[in-house]
Amino acid sequence: NAGVTQTPKFQVLKTGQSMTLQCAQDMNHEYMSWYRQDPGMGLRLIHYSVGAGITDQGEVPNGYNVSRSTTEDFPLRLLSAAPSQTSVYFCASSRGGPTTGELFFGEGSRLTVL
Amino acid sequence: AQSVTQLDSQVPVFEEAPVELRCNYSSSVSVYLFWYVQYPNQGLQLLLKYLSGSTLVKSINGFEAEFNKSQTSFHLRKPSVHISDTAEYFCAVSNQAGTALIFGKGTTLSVSS
Repeated sequence: NAGVTQTPKFQVLKTGQSMTLQCAQDMNHEYMSWYRQDPGMGLRLIHYSVGAGITDQGEVPNGYNVSRSTTEDFPLRLLSAAPSQTSVYFCASSRGGPTTGELFFGEGSRLTVL
Repeated sequence: AQSVTQLDSQVPVFEEAPVELRCNYSSSVSVYLFWYVQYPNQGLQLLLKYLSGSTLVKSINGFEAEFNKSQTSFHLRKPSVHISDTAEYFCAVSNQAGTALIFGKGTTLSVSS
């Protein structure tokens, strides 16, 4: 059972480039979310989804897009990378929701924007 | 809006000493509270949670936390820590809609011999 899988684990981008962080889960979880982790800031929610076809914004959504065409996948797109988006990104999923079920996290994707 | 304050950014302790990691929350509605742990270079894992019922909740590895509504606190405690408890600990509260968790900034617990 792979759980939550994130790719790539490391990425370096130049300012203005676009890219997609992939997230896949094999637990048939309805709820999926993306957080970014910055030193001294904890984790901040970017976007979340309560099921296929449904997405919503979190605390820091600007500069990011998401879609949820299947239950398993929840990709995060950076439209035009900026140095302020240098961070570690975590995808997390749960059955039902983050309060009714445990959030399972991926191992993270470390992004550097030059 | 809900928020979480972790009062200590770093807590250094010696092995076998007791530890308390402090967490205060603000919310005008009923809350669900969580502690997650992050070991180096890993994602977060659920340590324990309070949803309802007994205000004292325990984890399988000896941690416990007590929900105190009057003090709006959910402090994490362990009577005797091990080197392997070295990690970053995050307190979290659910948002009002129950659709997301709001995390504190984290407390780094460093256990030395």
